[in-house]
Amino acid sequence: EAQVTQNPRYLITVTGKKLTVTCSQNMNHEYMSWYRQDPGLGLRQIYYSMNVEVTDKGDVPEGYKVSRKEKRNFPLILESPSPNQTSLYFCASSLNGANYGYTFGSGTRLTVV
Amino acid sequence: AQSVTQPDIHITVSEGASLELRCNYSYGATPYLFWYVQSPGQGLQLLLKYFSGDTLVQGIKGFEAEFKRSQSSFNLRKPSVHWSDAAEYFCAVGALSGGGADGLTFGKGTHLIIQP
Repeated sequence: EAQVTQNPRYLITVTGKKLTVTCSQNMNHEYMSWYRQDPGLGLRQIYYSMNVEVTDKGDVPEGYKVSRKEKRNFPLILESPSPNQTSLYFCASSLNGANYGYTFGSGTRLTVV
Repeated sequence: AQSVTQPDIHITVSEGASLELRCNYSYGATPYLFWYVQSPGQGLQLLLKYFSGDTLVQGIKGFEAEFKRSQSSFNLRKPSVHWSDAAEYFCAVGALSGGGADGLTFGKGTHLIIQP
């Protein structure tokens, strides 16, 4: 089944403790992206990647890192999480760009206390 | 920069009634337009998209949308809603540039409530 898989689905952590949210897609898509979803603010892009080793900032990249060492994986790294990063995070992939439409993962609900 | 406005935060519709969700966009060229649906606890699912050509676009689950350039709108419609259509609906506009894609700009969503 074609899908984008995120792990974990739920995570509670403490301020400052580094964490990684994994994202993997099995569709051989070139484009991958991370979004966060907050009430009243909708979805905002954090980072995106056009291909292996090619990443770029989205609208809200501060406090996040990403890497794209393999086409299928696009992990999101929070080096020192803070409470304002409490949010619902979505990974998405697309065959060849956002304009083709994204396939989204099921989301990771992160709480930073 | 592109932007998307969904004027209705909440809409309540009776089961079996028709539905129209509004979306207005701002973009300097011909936009790529999308509607996504998010069911509770789930990720977003693509309902339909418009790139060019016929301005009436058919999507999954019986939805359709009409691109009206003169009104900068891309409203989503369904002739008869089902209780399972209750969800959050997002309109999005994409940049036309290929190599420098900056992803989608999403509207803030419309929460659809279905009354029995």
